[in-house]
Amino acid sequence: DAGVIQSPRHEVTEMGQEVTLRCKPISGHDYLFWYRQTMMRGLELLIYFNNNVPIDDSGMPEDRFSAKMPNASFSTLKIQPSEPRDSAVYFCASRTSGANTGELFFGEGSRLTVL
Amino acid sequence: QKEVEQDPGPLSVPEGAIVSLNCTYSNSAFQYFMWYRQYSRKGPELLMYTYSSGNKEDGRFTAQVDKSSKYISLFIRDSQPSDSATYLCAMSAGGTYKYIFGTGTRLKVLA
Repeated sequence: DAGVIQSPRHEVTEMGQEVTLRCKPISGHDYLFWYRQTMMRGLELLIYFNNNVPIDDSGMPEDRFSAKMPNASFSTLKIQPSEPRDSAVYFCASRTSGANTGELFFGEGSRLTVL
Repeated sequence: QKEVEQDPGPLSVPEGAIVSLNCTYSNSAFQYFMWYRQYSRKGPELLMYTYSSGNKEDGRFTAQVDKSSKYISLFIRDSQPSDSATYLCAMSAGGTYKYIFGTGTRLKVLA
């Protein structure tokens, strides 16, 4: 089975540009999560969805960040305009509500560098 | 104060050593406790999952939860170079999948 698929794997952009990160969760998973990882702050939850509906977006840092999940197999995280402090690795993860294992399945991440 | 505190390391040990990794937390509502392992430039993967207090063993790995002290531990016996990775603790309250992660401890096992 394919795991969580993220694209792009690497993105280098200039301050002020729009960045769109994409995620395809594991088929059948009804929860999708966006995390951001930095050395200083570790892995921070930005937002998560259940059945394509945002449940908690309290971790979204500011209005420059937005996330959508138009269907069960696709989600985007958009940053507009981007700033150097947004440089981080962004992870998408998914899980099924039926499993009682605590397991989130992570993608390999999108490494963003904003110059 | 962060909800979850974890020593970032790095921690270097010789092959075969017993490794102890720890996290403390402040939210008494946390009931579910997990350890994830993250290899360089990869996503985290679940290693251990425990509910409430107690011990859980899986091969060379043992997870301990002490809710009275708000302290969780992961022990690795007979550590191997392949255990070299970053270990992240994670926890959540009941009724939510909002997992809060520690910053991770970087472990290096020397051959």
